[in-house]
Amino acid sequence: EVRLVESGGGLVQPGGSLRLSCAASGFTFRSHAMIWVRQAPGKGLECVSIISGSGGGTDYADSVKGRLTISRDNSKSTLYLQMNSLRAEDTAVYYCAKAEGFSVVTSVDYWGQGTLVTVSS
Amino acid sequence: QSALTQPASVSGSPGQSITISCTGTSGDVGGYNYVSWYQQHPGKAPKLMIFDVSNRPSAISSRFSGSKSGNTASLTISGLQAEDEADYYCSSYAGSSTLVVFGGGTKLTVL
Repeated sequence: EVRLVESGGGLVQPGGSLRLSCAASGFTFRSHAMIWVRQAPGKGLECVSIISGSGGGTDYADSVKGRLTISRDNSKSTLYLQMNSLRAEDTAVYYCAKAEGFSVVTSVDYWGQGTLVTVSS
Repeated sequence: QSALTQPASVSGSPGQSITISCTGTSGDVGGYNYVSWYQQHPGKAPKLMIFDVSNRPSAISSRFSGSKSGNTASLTISGLQAEDEADYYCSSYAGSSTLVVFGGGTKLTVL
């Protein structure tokens, strides 16, 4: 059974930092690209970052470029999202999700339960 | 990346069929057979319902079907049931970027 379990969300002040983690199990982690998708309260889905199965390829939405960094530890089957210089507009539920492919996202076949990040003073 | 265009809401009565559209461009929906559809109930994570335009994961009911014509993809739900009431999102691979682009979401109400 595929499981994705996020952690690390919480309340942070504007300009602060958080590190999200996503522990994966039930599949060959290194064989799949992984993405972070966020959903602001009452809004739709936004893919903010992707990392290839090897970790050698990454990409970011323009809205987070330079502030968020995606990484992975294939030996621990864990995905990370380092979030710096946080803004109020980063407030959202952040989902860790598994891509069907190794380096591109043709579909997202499994999602974590999400972790809430609230940026507020 | 521009979001794909979906109607904000659709509705139908139990037993009826509804269709949700998802319009993109030749750079995403129209250029690749990599359209997916996701169902999201309130407070829950999205769930994959259709991938590669018209394929269903094994656990998904055959009441859900997908298709594509030009730059517009469609999700059809037949034999509507109360539990189908949810938000539905489309997504597409867009070759110019490795990021997946999502539609704005459609709220399905079962009357």
